[in-house]
Amino acid sequence: DTGVSQDPRHKITKRGQNVTFRCDPISEHNRLYWYRQTLGQGPEFLTYFQNEAQLEKSRLLSDRFSAERPKGSFSTLEIQRTEQGDSAMYLCASSFLGNLDEQFFGPGTRLTVL
Amino acid sequence: DAKTTQPTSMDCAEGRAANLPCNHSTISGNEYVYWYRQIHSQGPQYIIHGLKNNETNEMASLIITEDRKSSTLILPHATLRDTAVYYCIVRVANSGNTPLVFGKGTRLSVIA
Repeated sequence: DTGVSQDPRHKITKRGQNVTFRCDPISEHNRLYWYRQTLGQGPEFLTYFQNEAQLEKSRLLSDRFSAERPKGSFSTLEIQRTEQGDSAMYLCASSFLGNLDEQFFGPGTRLTVL
Repeated sequence: DAKTTQPTSMDCAEGRAANLPCNHSTISGNEYVYWYRQIHSQGPQYIIHGLKNNETNEMASLIITEDRKSSTLILPHATLRDTAVYYCIVRVANSGNTPLVFGKGTRLSVIA
């Protein structure tokens, strides 16, 4: 399968714990996006990378959220000191510059904070 | 905030055409209309996009009015697998720092 993959698919954690999610984009895609989706809402943009550079991060929800894409391939999204309000689906998407930026989404990681 | 307005939900009989409207009265000249859909428990899936001409691909057709203030996504022969939330998004193409801004979309139910 050559689509966007995310790991884990589900994560249950206790309030106050740190969690890290991984996204593997389509291999030739140089742009990578993170979104969050809560129940009944459309996805909400968090941050994006072009290659290894994080070009937009002002939409990250708080300083507890951080993302990396160290070698311009896979990316990680970390949430520190999780809160119950962080419970949501976290979606990753990738695209290729020059292709009208059609974004391909992964299946998401569903986070539940108890 | 999303720059589009869509009905909350629609039903369509299986085998019939599903016509999903979208209003985007404040669209700018360099903004495209994109459509994505999200089947339950999956990530959104790109369907089609257009600037001002009507577009067709293997999944759907996109009809954009001449003034570009509204558009309609047409699924010509809806199947049960087309049941999903459909999102209409306006965005400058090829500009990664202008993210996809999703509204609540239209929940399409295809009924047997």
